[in-house]
Amino acid sequence: AQRVTQPEKLLSVFKGAPVELKCNYSYSGSPELFWYVQYSRQRLQLLLRHISRESIKGFTADLNKGETSFHLKKPFAQEEDSAMYYCALSNTGGFKTIFGAGTRLFVKA
Amino acid sequence: GAGVSQSPSNKVTEKGKDVELRCDPISGHTALYWYRQSLGQGLEFLIYFQGNSAPDKSGLPSDRFSAERTGGSVSTLTIQRTQQEDSAVYLCASSVGQTYNEKLFFGSGTQLSVL
Repeated sequence: AQRVTQPEKLLSVFKGAPVELKCNYSYSGSPELFWYVQYSRQRLQLLLRHISRESIKGFTADLNKGETSFHLKKPFAQEEDSAMYYCALSNTGGFKTIFGAGTRLFVKA
Repeated sequence: GAGVSQSPSNKVTEKGKDVELRCDPISGHTALYWYRQSLGQGLEFLIYFQGNSAPDKSGLPSDRFSAERTGGSVSTLTIQRTQQEDSAVYLCASSVGQTYNEKLFFGSGTQLSVL
């Protein structure tokens, strides 16, 4: 069965510190992985996806198939990065996208 | 429209009543999704539509939950005989519907409170 696990409910870092939000998945096929973000009083929106190999707002994520992980990283956190982050997975068998429980990132001044 | 529209934005109801939540997707998007967002549970998949058909309704929690989509556009999520545990934010999303790795566009959600 498909599953996305985000082990941390809350992550608190100081401004300028590196940040890593963990995501592990289970899926037998070849999944597509995403990170979505929800800022305060805003809609949930796509941050980045594996297939695009992009860096958005300084965030990157590398798919590690051996460890079945897709951790989100940023070398220097900013206060405006404070938000709820969700890791998500979709699969070639259909259009169903499932999400993890989310990690709330709090960047302190 | 400019984005995914959901109504109402807030709904307070009494236990045992039925509620209907509406989603108006982005024009031209054939794929439509319903999720439930609650504290500690993340985003729980409920149902997915491709056009008017629902290939995957595996996430509906019970037979009190149903959804339909008409004209390949507007979708309604109905919860019958609401219970307090149904209280959550119900999110709708849409995508173009051509490939499995598409970006989802989300609505602002309906905050449902069952008293």
